[in-house]
Amino acid sequence: DQQVKQNSPSLSVQEGRISILNCDYTNSMFDYFLWYKKYPAEGPTFLISISSIKDKNEDGRFTVFLNKSAKHLSLHIVPSQPGDSAVYFCGFQGGSEKLVFGKGTKLTVNP
Amino acid sequence: NAGVTQTPKFQVLKTGQSMTLQCAQDMNHEYMSWYRQDPGMGLRLIHYSVGAGITDQGEVPNGYNVSRSTTEDFPLRLLSAAPSQTSVYFCASSSSVVGGSGNTIYFGEGSWLTVV
Repeated sequence: DQQVKQNSPSLSVQEGRISILNCDYTNSMFDYFLWYKKYPAEGPTFLISISSIKDKNEDGRFTVFLNKSAKHLSLHIVPSQPGDSAVYFCGFQGGSEKLVFGKGTKLTVNP
Repeated sequence: NAGVTQTPKFQVLKTGQSMTLQCAQDMNHEYMSWYRQDPGMGLRLIHYSVGAGITDQGEVPNGYNVSRSTTEDFPLRLLSAAPSQTSVYFCASSSSVVGGSGNTIYFGEGSWLTVV
């Protein structure tokens, strides 16, 4: 059974606007929530994370929100830039040593 | 990249052949893992290790074997390749099993495997 769901396989936004990427999860034992970014032909790279004791973490243009009651994680990118065009994976870890990822959302930022 | 090296980068195999994907890290990380990425399926965990001599199965372990004889190396073995194993494989490592800003997980650049 899939523990992590990224229901939007793709998202297209205009440069300068906000990009919002979403994840839903089912396992309430997750301790850490992470976002990774992946360009074609490269390995994923760490973007931002949040622990289960927080509901918001901000790093420059990137903000991650955690709603534990709804089991929902989101990533906001403001303002979006063409260089942000990539596939974004949400990842979850906790309890065991496993880090599981969603299926990814392909973000395209149009100039 | 941050010190995770995968080889080979590209490989074509015939059905039934065996091969090993190599992964090495020079960061003295305890935690290493293998993922495969398929279109529409995201990153799926194959096997992982929390230290030398310790391995465990992930979400999709069938058809793969791993061992961890040293901290630095975590090879992934395909025992008898099948077309369903055509994928991009990523090795990852981190200093702890706990994710978060202090324990970033680093990925290699990927190994593209085609089984014909």
